[in-house]
Amino acid sequence: DAGVIQSPRHEVTEMGQEVTLRCKPISGHDYLFWYRQTMMRGLELLIYFNNNVPIDDSGMPEDRFSAKMPNASFSTLKIQPSEPRDSAVYFCASTPRARGGSEAFFGQGTRLTVV
Amino acid sequence: DQQVKQNSPSLSVQEGRISILNCDYTNSMFDYFLWYKKYPAEGPTFLISISSIKDKNEDGRFTVFLNKSAKHLSLHIVPSQPGDSAVYFCAASVYTNAGKSTFGDGTTLTVKP
Repeated sequence: DAGVIQSPRHEVTEMGQEVTLRCKPISGHDYLFWYRQTMMRGLELLIYFNNNVPIDDSGMPEDRFSAKMPNASFSTLKIQPSEPRDSAVYFCASTPRARGGSEAFFGQGTRLTVV
Repeated sequence: DQQVKQNSPSLSVQEGRISILNCDYTNSMFDYFLWYKKYPAEGPTFLISISSIKDKNEDGRFTVFLNKSAKHLSLHIVPSQPGDSAVYFCAASVYTNAGKSTFGDGTTLTVKP
C-alpha cells in the first residue's frame, strides 16, 4: 500500500479564498484523523471519522472549517474563507481500529500558506 | 491546559551515546502512550508504544519507560545514530480510543557523528 496520500503537498492562497485539502487513507483503515501543526499550538487533532462518520469535531477551530468523508477512500478538509492564521501544516492520518496497538499512519502533510 | 508536555525543545548527543527524551502528562485517564518520529517534510511515523499495565517496553535500540505515579515517560535510544536525528513526539491516549492521541510539542534530537 502507498500509505496515506495527501494532496496538494503545498498550497498558497490569498486571504478570503476557499481551500480544500484532500486525503486518501490506507485501504481497510476504518479511522481517519485530521491534525494541524503550528508553532504556537503544536500538533492538534481537528476531527476524526469512524467508517466515514464524523465522531469528534471538537478540535475544529471555527465554522470556517469543515470536513467530509464521502466514502472510505477519500476525505476533504475545507477552509472557507481562509485567513492568514490558518497557515500551518495539515496532516491526515488513518488507523485500522480504535483500540491500542493500532498506531496512526500519517500522510506527508499539506503545507498551507494564506497570504 | 497542555495535557502532554515535552519540556526540552531540543537535545544534542554524540553518536554511540544514549539519548533520553522525556514527556510528562497531566490527564489520569491516559493509559496508552506512543512515541512518533518526524523527519522534515514528512509526516510523523510510529516508533514505539506502551500500555499503562507495563512500566517498560523495548524494541531494538528503543526503550520506553513509564512511571504512572509521576505521570512521566521517557524514550531511551541506545546507541544513538546520526539517522536518529529528527523531531520526537510523545503522544497520550485512552486505550479504547488510541487513535485519538494528544501530542506533546516535540523534541528535536540531533545526533552528532
